Amino acid sequence: SAVISQKPSRDICQRGTSLTIQCQVDSQVTMMFWYRQQPGQSLTLIATANQGSEATYESGFVIDKFPISRPNLTFSTLTVSNMSPEDSSIYLCSAGGQYTEAFFGQGTRLTVV
Amino acid sequence: GQQLNQSPQSMFIQEGEDVSMNCTSSSIFNTWLWYKQDPGEGPVLLIALYKAGELTSNGRLTAQFGITRKDSFLNISASIPSDVGIYFCAGLYGGATNKLIFGTGTLLAVQP
Repeated sequence: SAVISQKPSRDICQRGTSLTIQCQVDSQVTMMFWYRQQPGQSLTLIATANQGSEATYESGFVIDKFPISRPNLTFSTLTVSNMSPEDSSIYLCSAGGQYTEAFFGQGTRLTVV
Repeated sequence: GQQLNQSPQSMFIQEGEDVSMNCTSSSIFNTWLWYKQDPGEGPVLLIALYKAGELTSNGRLTAQFGITRKDSFLNISASIPSDVGIYFCAGLYGGATNKLIFGTGTLLAVQP
């Protein structure tokens, strides 16, 4: 299994600002994903982070709001742009192979005030 | 986004009791996964199921991949206090997308 580290683990941000979350995997992985988990809710996929190309976004999520980078096979970033209190959530990075299970980082708990 | 139907929503049991939870979908999945999430942590993989009908155990946990490929269940035997947490099922489409779709979650509370 891959070990996944996310930074920061938590942050409190002012509305209108942006936060970039980093995800580092200890080995090369084919697939990396970003999820959002709103308070008391399940996980919802935001996008698939593609290495060397634009991320693939799920319905309801757009690149202008959640720009994603994936410069190599072990690293990805998610930016939450122009934040509002509704963006307060846990953001989770996951990684795995193309046909195998995915492993998760510990998450980033974001509070927007 | 799409979510799988997971039941029960919550369970409050006594230590030593057995627990059963299940997950159903209108879609067929190639893989079913079960995760546990503790407060302030990311989900941790418990069991992965790859074939319809497959029954897999991990210690006191047993999970099955439904024959129709549209459902799965997880059993926990002889529960202990550290079993407390939220359990999520997840279906994996596989292929080019390889997306995980999560269930709504089951909150488990175990009273010593």
